[in-house]
Amino acid sequence: YELTQPPSVSVSPGQTATITCSGDYLERKDVSWYQQKPGQSPVLLIYQDHKRPSAIPERFSASTSEIAAILTIRETQSIDEGHYYCQAWDLSVAIFGGGTNLAVL
Amino acid sequence: QVRLQESGPGLVKPSETLSLTCSVSGGYHGREYWSWLRLPPGKGLEWIGDLYSTGTTRYNPSLKSRVTISGDSSKNQFSLKMTSVTSADAAVYYCAQVTFSGAGGWFGPWGQGTRVTVSS
Repeated sequence: YELTQPPSVSVSPGQTATITCSGDYLERKDVSWYQQKPGQSPVLLIYQDHKRPSAIPERFSASTSEIAAILTIRETQSIDEGHYYCQAWDLSVAIFGGGTNLAVL
Repeated sequence: QVRLQESGPGLVKPSETLSLTCSVSGGYHGREYWSWLRLPPGKGLEWIGDLYSTGTTRYNPSLKSRVTISGDSSKNQFSLKMTSVTSADAAVYYCAQVTFSGAGGWFGPWGQGTRVTVSS
């Protein structure tokens, strides 16, 4: 099973960034999203498709459709630069997407 | 607040065994799942396996033949052993708590990670 993400996404400061994650039957799975900044550990951004841990700003949101899971970052800031990973389970194996490098230019 | 900290040798020789330990502290109740993951240079995150408090383990099929995850509740630690390492096993290794609900589960919090180099 594979999850496919674009290798990179660029966005201007203050604009909205969208990162996609595609995989078979993704709508039947719970998708999580993680942010990893350079030199830091991954941080859970989204779980169960769209839920945010309390420490995560409302600027981060996500949804899942039949086609793909989408992470949306509103009012993007330079502090949002880093790698973003989607993750789901398939047959009791945790699968991660290849990661998307977000550049705020 | 659960906190995790990885420890272990940063350098392992090819064909030898990698051994890492994750120390857990904070507000957990002993019915959690704990996991090991890794981030090879230039690649994405990879799940290695997880451990439930009962001792039940699950492993990534791609690594299952070489990996053992075990726990020591008396020390609030769980460990990873990976045999016959090669350069492909060089990575930053993370331990994390796993929470399962509904159709899946999520990882968090994570330890700070420990870098493992494979070289003679």
